[in-house]
Amino acid sequence: GENVEQHPSTLSVQEGDSAVIKCTYSDSASNYFPWYKQELGKRPQLIIDIRSNVGEKKDQRIAVTLNKTAKHFSLHITETQPEDSAVYFCAASGSSGTYKYIFGTGTRLKVLA
Amino acid sequence: DTAVSQTPKYLVTQMGNDKSIKCEQNLGHDTMYWYKQDSKKFLKIMFSYNNKELIINETVPNRFSPKSPDKAHLNLHINSLELGDSAVYFCASSSTGSNTEAFFGQGTRLTVV
Repeated sequence: GENVEQHPSTLSVQEGDSAVIKCTYSDSASNYFPWYKQELGKRPQLIIDIRSNVGEKKDQRIAVTLNKTAKHFSLHITETQPEDSAVYFCAASGSSGTYKYIFGTGTRLKVLA
Repeated sequence: DTAVSQTPKYLVTQMGNDKSIKCEQNLGHDTMYWYKQDSKKFLKIMFSYNNKELIINETVPNRFSPKSPDKAHLNLHINSLELGDSAVYFCASSSTGSNTEAFFGQGTRLTVV
């Protein structure tokens, strides 16, 4: 069945360093890949997304890359700050007509001041 | 002005009871979802609805019965609550299908004692 694997499960970085989170999806029909940030006790919120016709997308300190052939996509956060500490989820969704997001298992990111 | 709101935020109840969680979105979206987040933070799809019609029922026990009186509302009723039902339940909505951003409610933390 559809599956999204996410690594690592926890990640600690020093403030100012970069953080990379990687995901692999199984359904080759997936064409939409959002990333969500969930702070403690809060709702997941979209931070960036990418579609299958794009290889890379950047928004200030956050970037996402997609390799459709390998079915991999990654989140890159540069110049990390303590407020980046949260759980990050990748997700994959199929073509139009699909009505579910398959989420990865989450990465707990800790940015050490 | 809250986009996706769900009530209650906290729910503590005894085993065997029946409870409901309500969800409303004012974004004009066609698609609504229920996700369950367990203690390990996994986000798992339970149901999705499009224009009041059930699209996905992801092998959820039939003690869980969603109801969508109109496309802005998706409620979740749970019968005969069990200890294993303890989790955070998130309602979400998206424009049409899952190839665009999902907006999440603030979550309902259900504790069954």
